[in-house]
Amino acid sequence: EDQVTQSPEALRLQEGESSSLNCSYTVSGLRGLFWYRQDPGKGPEFLFTLYSAGEEKEKERLKATLTKKESFLHITAPKPEDSATYLCAVQAGSLSGGSYIPTFGRGTSLIVHP
Amino acid sequence: NAGVTQTPKFQVLKTGQSMTLQCAQDMNHEYMSWYRQDPGMGLRLIHYSVGAGITDQGEVPNGYNVSRSTTEDFPLRLLSAAPSQTSVYFCASSYVDEQFFGPGTRLTVL
Repeated sequence: EDQVTQSPEALRLQEGESSSLNCSYTVSGLRGLFWYRQDPGKGPEFLFTLYSAGEEKEKERLKATLTKKESFLHITAPKPEDSATYLCAVQAGSLSGGSYIPTFGRGTSLIVHP
Repeated sequence: NAGVTQTPKFQVLKTGQSMTLQCAQDMNHEYMSWYRQDPGMGLRLIHYSVGAGITDQGEVPNGYNVSRSTTEDFPLRLLSAAPSQTSVYFCASSYVDEQFFGPGTRLTVL
């Protein structure tokens, strides 16, 4: 059974205080690991897909990295507008195909204080 | 582009009632899916479709039906609502691995 564990459950930062969110996973063959951002009362918003260990992707103050067991979402010099819940999900299979059923973690709630 | 739209935004049902949650996308995506999101749990896939006329079950399909007669629309039907179906429902469509989610429907079953 595929599993995704995100930590911490909640994180409070001061504006400018860099930190990392963790997503640990077990999956029978990783097709892709996904990061989403979700604001209160809204649907998740896609951030990144990572496919193989060692891969990194960046977007503004966010950088996602991937190993064979976990992924980190690094937030550099966060701003209050980065406050949201960050969701991680994995999908089993290979690049040529696999499960259409992703497994989501419970998310990390990030609050950035000005 | 409106993206993914869902109606209604809020709904209250009584146990045993049926209803349809509507979902539409204007991005010509083949893959569409329905999730539910409950407090303390991750998003869970209910049903999905890889194209018009093709649907399949996700992780938690019981009590829900779907159909996909067009590329644009993917309605979710609750056959006989139960309190356990109180949740926030999200529809999504995707191109390759980038999923676009709708704004959600908050459903309460009394």
